[in-house]
Amino acid sequence: AQSVTQLGSHVSVSEGALVLLRCNYSSSVPPYLFWYVQYPNQGLQLLLKYTTGATLVKGINGFEAEFKKSETSFHLTKPSAHMSDAAEYFCAVSDQLRGGGNKLTFGTGSQLKVEL
Amino acid sequence: NAGVTQTPKFRILKIGQSMTLQCTQDMNHNYMYWYRQDPGMGLKLIYYSVGAGITDKGEVPNGYNVSRSTTEDFPLRLELAAPSQTSVYFCASSDPVTGNTIYFGEGSWLTVV
Repeated sequence: AQSVTQLGSHVSVSEGALVLLRCNYSSSVPPYLFWYVQYPNQGLQLLLKYTTGATLVKGINGFEAEFKKSETSFHLTKPSAHMSDAAEYFCAVSDQLRGGGNKLTFGTGSQLKVEL
Repeated sequence: NAGVTQTPKFRILKIGQSMTLQCTQDMNHNYMYWYRQDPGMGLKLIYYSVGAGITDKGEVPNGYNVSRSTTEDFPLRLELAAPSQTSVYFCASSDPVTGNTIYFGEGSWLTVV
């Protein structure tokens, strides 16, 4: 079964500092990996995804993530945090469902706080 | 560009009441999903559908029912509401043409008292 571990349920950074949100996964097959962001009282918005090909994936709002198979990791980074980045971030791994479609297995989330 | 639309946004139910959460998508996606999100947890899959007339259970289906009569609509029904069903519910959709990306609705906040 797939699983996702996000280290750091609460992460605090200063504005302008590096953002690093950690994600490790367990998968028996080559994984499809995703990062979603959730702002308060809103749905989940896709930040970026890895399916195949280039292991460094660039997403929206200046975020990027690197797929490292040897470390089973897919950490999310942003060089310089902005106040508007404060949100909850979820890492997810995709598995194929019976009959088609994809089930996302989510981590428990990392709440990012950005301080002045 | 509506995407995935859920109603209602907020609802308070009494124990034992029934209700239906509505979900519609305008992207002509074949696959649709219902997830629930509990505090401090990731999302858990309740039910999914691979097309009109076809539904299947996810990880946490107990206490819920679904139907899929059209490509666009995928309602979730709670028959006898229980406090354990207090949660945030997200409808989502995807299609092979979207490259396995799942698109989520804005969520429905449900409280059972």
